Amino acid sequence: QLQLQESGPGLVKPSETLSLTCTVSGGSITRSSYYWGWIRQPPGKGLEWIATISYNGGTSYNPSLKSQVTISVDTSKNQFSLKLKSVTAADTAVYYCARHVDKTLTAYFDPWGQGSLVTVSS
Amino acid sequence: QSVLTQPPSVSGAPGQRVTISCTGTSSNIGAGYDVHWYQQLPGTAPKLLVYVNDIRPSGVPDRISASKSDTSASLAITGLQAEDEGDYYCQSYDSGLSIWVFGGGTKLTVL
Repeated sequence: QLQLQESGPGLVKPSETLSLTCTVSGGSITRSSYYWGWIRQPPGKGLEWIATISYNGGTSYNPSLKSQVTISVDTSKNQFSLKLKSVTAADTAVYYCARHVDKTLTAYFDPWGQGSLVTVSS
Repeated sequence: QSVLTQPPSVSGAPGQRVTISCTGTSSNIGAGYDVHWYQQLPGTAPKLLVYVNDIRPSGVPDRISASKSDTSASLAITGLQAEDEGDYYCQSYDSGLSIWVFGGGTKLTVL
């Protein structure tokens, strides 16, 4: 059974870089037809897709965040990571990693990690 | 303002049926992109409830159903139970924005 787990600091100062890692267990991150994504949810608000990466490094970014975001993959550790630079209070959110099942005309997220609350504050 | 529009809240008594709508446009649902639904119980991560418009993953009860038509989709829950209380999100792809999009979410209250 595939499981994902986010890890990283829970508090980041304004203007610094938020870094999170997602560790995948119960399956290989290199399996083709699967991608890996990050989604965030500000407190009390809805879900926003941030970025997606394939096992071989192909990436997709939300244009509204593209200048701030870098997603990467480490197949040797079965992990993928998110970096969000120059953060502000508006980046405070629960950050989820998820497997991104992407096929023609259809793409969904399953399963999800439990989420990691990141607060941006001095 | 979310690209996919959902009612902020719905409610129903135990045993009743509720539906949640998800309205899109010609650049997402109307363009043929599939709709998926997620359930987020209080304090937990979203969980895939329905994928590819109307398919229930293993373990999701058959009192959950969904459909898609033109530029909208809907999720129906029959035999409402207290444990159904939570937030529900629809999701699709928007070709105009080139992003995967979620609805704003609907809070389901079991009275």
